[in-house]
Amino acid sequence: NAGVMQNPRHLVRRRGQEARLRCSPMKGHSHVYWYRQLPEEGLKFMVYLQKENIIDESGMPKERFSAEFPKEGPSILRIQQVVRGDSAAYFCASSPGDCCFGPGTRLTVT
Amino acid sequence: GIQVEQSPPDLILQEGANSTLRCNFSDSVNNLQWFHQNPWGQLINLFYIPSGTKQNGRLSATTVATERYSLLYISSSQTTDSGVYFCAGIIKAAGNKLTFGGGTRVLVKP
Repeated sequence: NAGVMQNPRHLVRRRGQEARLRCSPMKGHSHVYWYRQLPEEGLKFMVYLQKENIIDESGMPKERFSAEFPKEGPSILRIQQVVRGDSAAYFCASSPGDCCFGPGTRLTVT
Repeated sequence: GIQVEQSPPDLILQEGANSTLRCNFSDSVNNLQWFHQNPWGQLINLFYIPSGTKQNGRLSATTVATERYSLLYISSSQTTDSGVYFCAGIIKAAGNKLTFGGGTRVLVKP
């Protein structure tokens, strides 16, 4: 009865590299929500996906960030050409409601 | 814009003390929740409380939806209660995702 799974838990990238964060929703859930938590701040919504569809990407930065949730496999949040300001904790959830956040991926850009 | 305000921003407690944390919403909210983020960054769902009052051990929460606020009560605080407490809700005008407050940082001293 696994919950929301995220990997890696910690990721270190140098400026200019790419970061790929993965999220597998709870069994039976077909929605994924990605949130970003900058240091000392609350969580901010980034994107909401269903299988093979982006439903709401109103919180995604316009450049360098993309997300997908393929028919098979986990949802991927991709950050190209990372900068130090991308250092944050990235959480995903598989429901908008009363449950189910993953443990987060802590991205550090050096 | 839509706002979720939490107060106080910081709280220092002596072990055994009681406290009240507040969350105000600028618009009608559904699926109101309280989370605890422990010092290791893990996000724990404490309460799903769209209205009324719930209790779980030393914690309880009350939401008055018509007045757009929620309260989290911590009684007989312990050092393990330290961390950041977030409220979040789904605000209809903002779409089907959680909007988080900025959090209340709680430090319980022994």
